[in-house]
Amino acid sequence: QSVLTQPPSVSGAPGQRVTISCTGSSSNIGAGYDIHWYQQLPGTAPKLLIYGNSNRPSGVPDRFSGSESGTSASLAISGLQAEDEADYYCQSYDSSLSGVLFGGGTKLTVL
Amino acid sequence: QVQLQESGPGLVKPSQTLSLTCTVSGGSISSADYYWSWIRQPAGKGLEWIGRIYTSGNTNYNPSLKSRVTISEDMSENQFFLRLSSVTAADTAVYYCARYRPGYWYLDLWGRGTLVTVSS
Repeated sequence: QSVLTQPPSVSGAPGQRVTISCTGSSSNIGAGYDIHWYQQLPGTAPKLLIYGNSNRPSGVPDRFSGSESGTSASLAISGLQAEDEADYYCQSYDSSLSGVLFGGGTKLTVL
Repeated sequence: QVQLQESGPGLVKPSQTLSLTCTVSGGSISSADYYWSWIRQPAGKGLEWIGRIYTSGNTNYNPSLKSRVTISEDMSENQFFLRLSSVTAADTAVYYCARYRPGYWYLDLWGRGTLVTVSS
């Protein structure tokens, strides 16, 4: 089944570290396709945050990091700031879809 | 720098066809380095990939929408298009166009999105 599963919500206090998981299957992450992460601030379009499992586009702070293992991936945000409050989506290529697959999204609340 | 801009009617009647245009500025859609995609997001919900167009008009569509979707392009105008037929209220969403890196499979540039409401 072509699904990427994320927790609906996570929260943390300013300065803390949070992680967001993304669990896939043998037709996406397990097949060797990379995971990418997007940040969507309220009322705006998604923005590429991490590509190729762990790479940051220019301009993305190094507080954001990504990792991948087996059929799962994680996004870590350290030194949490109020401006990090947003929805975060993981994304991969899925061979069953022959196309893009998004996770359901995780809402990050900064307490 | 490259920018994408969606345009089209904000209101479509049920059973009719939704038609949107994505205009790319600052770069060419004929570049072999990129594919071009449509994604949508219903209010308060997650992202759904609709499909992509690449290299000489080849397309791939989300199987859940395939029977109703057509993506096409006009290289002379540097635009690509989305047509979604037989729409219902469930097709109400913000529609985004985005640039897609082939081989890497990520979307590195997005338009601002346009809200399309399906209602009579």
